[in-house]
Amino acid sequence: EVQLVESGGGLVQPGRSLRLSCAASGFTFDAYAMHWVRQAPGKGLEWVSGISWSSGSIVYADSVKGRFTISRDNAKNSLYLQMNSLRAEDTALYYCAKAGGVSSLGDYFDYWGQGTLVTVSS
Amino acid sequence: QSALTQPASVSGSPGQSITISCTGTSSDVGGYNYVSWYQQHPGKAPKLMIYEVSNRPSGVSNRFSGSKSGNTASLTISGLQAEDEADYYCSSYTSSSTLYIFGTGTKVTVL
Repeated sequence: EVQLVESGGGLVQPGRSLRLSCAASGFTFDAYAMHWVRQAPGKGLEWVSGISWSSGSIVYADSVKGRFTISRDNAKNSLYLQMNSLRAEDTALYYCAKAGGVSSLGDYFDYWGQGTLVTVSS
Repeated sequence: QSALTQPASVSGSPGQSITISCTGTSSDVGGYNYVSWYQQHPGKAPKLMIYEVSNRPSGVSNRFSGSKSGNTASLTISGLQAEDEADYYCSSYTSSSTLYIFGTGTKVTVL
């Protein structure tokens, strides 16, 4: 059974940093691209960032480019999101998602974690 | 564009069929057969219902079907059931610098 468990969320002041983690199990982690998708309270889904299985392809949404860094450790079956210079508009539930499809970053998200909440407020 | 356009709400009676539209541009929905649909119940994580326009993952009911015409994709739920009441989001690969775009979301209500 595929399991994705996010952690690292919390309350942080604007301008500060936070690092999210996602522990994966139940599938061959190093064979798949992984993504972060967020959902602001009461709002829709927004794709944040994706990373290929080898970390050779990394992409970001324009809204986080230059502030967020995605990475993975295939030996630890883990995905990370380093978030710097946080803003109030980054407040959201952050989901880790496994990619499906044949392209290097995948074309859909077939499994999702339960999310970790990030609140940016003074 | 920042999001694909979906109707805010769609409703139907048990047993009926409903269709949710998802309108984009030739840079996303119209340009790729990489449209997917997600179901999200309150307080839960999204669940993949349709991928690559019309494919159903294992375990998803065949009451759910997807299609695409030009820049608009559609999700049809036939034989509507109470458990189908949820939010639904479409998504597409896009040629923009933000590679993946989601729809605005549609709340499905079973009357």
